Amino acid sequence: KNEVEQSPQNLTAQEGEFITINCSYSVGISALHWLQQHPGGGIVSLFMLSSGKKKHGRLIATINIQEKHSSLHITASHPRDSAVYICAVPGGTSYGKLTFGQGTILTVHP
Amino acid sequence: NAGVTQTPKFQVLKTGQSMTLQCAQDMNHEYMSWYRQDPGMGLRLIHYSVGAGITDQGEVPNGYNVSRSTTEDFPLRLLSAAPSQTSVYFCASCRGTYNEQFFGPGTRLTVL
Repeated sequence: KNEVEQSPQNLTAQEGEFITINCSYSVGISALHWLQQHPGGGIVSLFMLSSGKKKHGRLIATINIQEKHSSLHITASHPRDSAVYICAVPGGTSYGKLTFGQGTILTVHP
Repeated sequence: NAGVTQTPKFQVLKTGQSMTLQCAQDMNHEYMSWYRQDPGMGLRLIHYSVGAGITDQGEVPNGYNVSRSTTEDFPLRLLSAAPSQTSVYFCASCRGTYNEQFFGPGTRLTVL
């Protein structure tokens, strides 16, 4: 089973700060997902990436397959970015064996 | 498109009762999954399906049954509810193994 570790578990920032959330996994994969969950809300897919970097607005996700590590960056953070950020990886060769990290709780203060 | 829909949004059961959580998607996705989310445990896979008529167990399948008679629907059945099944349940679908996942809004279940 692929073990997924996220850090930090909790993150507090002031509006405008640059934020980084890290995700490490134990078994080599071909793709990794970053998800966002607002308090009491549903889960939204932010990125799925298999190499390099992807950017969407103020969000940037990077992955290093060799080092089994991915990062999610938020530039110019805003209170509406406050949410839980979750990374997930396939746990095996077949779909459905998705393994999730514990999540990072981000709070951005105005 | 409605995306992934789940009903009900909230449910309270007594121990031993049975019920079915409904999940439907209108994106013609082959892959569908059920997860439960518990504090401190993260999301865990209960059951999944790679197409109509094909289902398999995930990480925590005990106490749950699924079937997939159509591409659109993937209901989750609790056979005899237990307090340990108190959780938030999410259904998800995607086009393929390495495609974006779409999640339903969740069902908050409490078993007394």
